[in-house]
Amino acid sequence: TQLLEQSPQFLSIQEGENLTVYCNSSSVFSSLQWYRQEPGEGPVLLVTVVTGGEVKKLKRLTFQFGDARKDSSLHITAAQPGDTGLYLCAGARYGGSQGNLIFGKGTKLSVKP
Amino acid sequence: NAGVTQTPKFQVLKTGQSMTLQCAQDMNHNSMYWYRQDPGMGLRLIYYSASEGTTDKGEVPNGYNVSRLNKREFSLRLESAAPSQTSVYFCASSQQGAAVFSYEQYFGPGTRLTVT
Repeated sequence: TQLLEQSPQFLSIQEGENLTVYCNSSSVFSSLQWYRQEPGEGPVLLVTVVTGGEVKKLKRLTFQFGDARKDSSLHITAAQPGDTGLYLCAGARYGGSQGNLIFGKGTKLSVKP
Repeated sequence: NAGVTQTPKFQVLKTGQSMTLQCAQDMNHNSMYWYRQDPGMGLRLIYYSASEGTTDKGEVPNGYNVSRLNKREFSLRLESAAPSQTSVYFCASSQQGAAVFSYEQYFGPGTRLTVT
């Protein structure tokens, strides 16, 4: 059972375009994280969202946690080639073993110059 | 600080061979994890160790064993490698404590394993 669905799976855009990536679930999470993974490397944590409705900004990246804590989105403004990578969302379930995350399958983003 | 380090970076095994993947972290984290990443499957948890001296199975533990050697080191062993274990393996660590921060994981660079 895939608890975290990410969409789209693949996204190829031109430099300067805006994009949104979605992470959806029927489960409620106590917190949700976004990671970025570049080819040949491990995932790197971008942000953790904790409160329903929370919005966090990291330069050109805006992260939102749904009011019901079941979904999240990542919006990138004016994408640059350096944003290319695999974006993973990961949720911490209530009652789950401490530190254990459920990962989505990822959105592979390619930004062409 | 090196963060999380993994060795080796690449490995090719024949079916039936054994090997141990090494992982170490220098962030004084209590919890450590082993994942495998396969195309179209995302990251799947193999084993984890919530603290020194404890280990627990994750989603896909069959064919693997782990050892939490001390607080810094967590190794993954394949006793008899199979082609289905061809994958990229990642080690991660997290800090136990305030709930939110205990879920933030820091990953190593990965080991690319091919079993022929």
